[in-house]
Amino acid sequence: AQSVAQPEDQVNVAEGNPLTVKCTYSVSGNPYLFWYVQYPNRGLQFLLKYITGDNLVKGSYGFEAEFNKSQTSFHLKKPSALVSDSALYFCAVSRPFGNEKLTFGTGTRLTIIP
Amino acid sequence: GAGVSQTPSNKVTEKGKYVELRCDPISGHTALYWYRQSLGQGPEFLIYFQGTGAADDSGLPNDRFFAVRPEGSVSTLKIQRTERGDSAMYLCASKLTTGTGELFFGEGSRLTVL
Repeated sequence: AQSVAQPEDQVNVAEGNPLTVKCTYSVSGNPYLFWYVQYPNRGLQFLLKYITGDNLVKGSYGFEAEFNKSQTSFHLKKPSALVSDSALYFCAVSRPFGNEKLTFGTGTRLTIIP
Repeated sequence: GAGVSQTPSNKVTEKGKYVELRCDPISGHTALYWYRQSLGQGPEFLIYFQGTGAADDSGLPNDRFFAVRPEGSVSTLKIQRTERGDSAMYLCASKLTTGTGELFFGEGSRLTVL
């Protein structure tokens, strides 16, 4: 079985400060890891993914995430938060080799305070 | 349109009724997915299609749920004898083909069973 934990339901960050949204995972074998963002009244949007290779992955809107195999984590980061980053963020995992089923975490609501 | 389109955006029905939810994927996308998102939860996998065939329907909760994609494009999720517990946001997503590409999500169909 595969699972994702997002330990924080809510994260508040002041505008301009660095932000981190945490994610840990459990999966057999090497994981495929994803971050998606959900803005109000909008569909989920892809931010970035880790498949293989460099542990630091860069994605859309200045976001990046670091794959840490020993800690089974894939935290989302951004050096300087914008008010427009306020949204609901989901981490997701799947197993490789043809398994198409994505398992999502419960989401973290990120609020950037002006 | 350019994105994944889902209709209806909102559906209110009575317990025991039959419901159909439609998904029109991005043109040319061969892989199509259905997820269900309950309030405060992340999306949960229901089923995915590669072309016309259901490649993995392991997430369908019971035999009241069924999905089709007869021509390899539009898909319909069908729910028989609806129950109050079926109330949720039903999300459709597509991608060019199976594999590590990103999923493109629609805005969802919110189902409320009274």
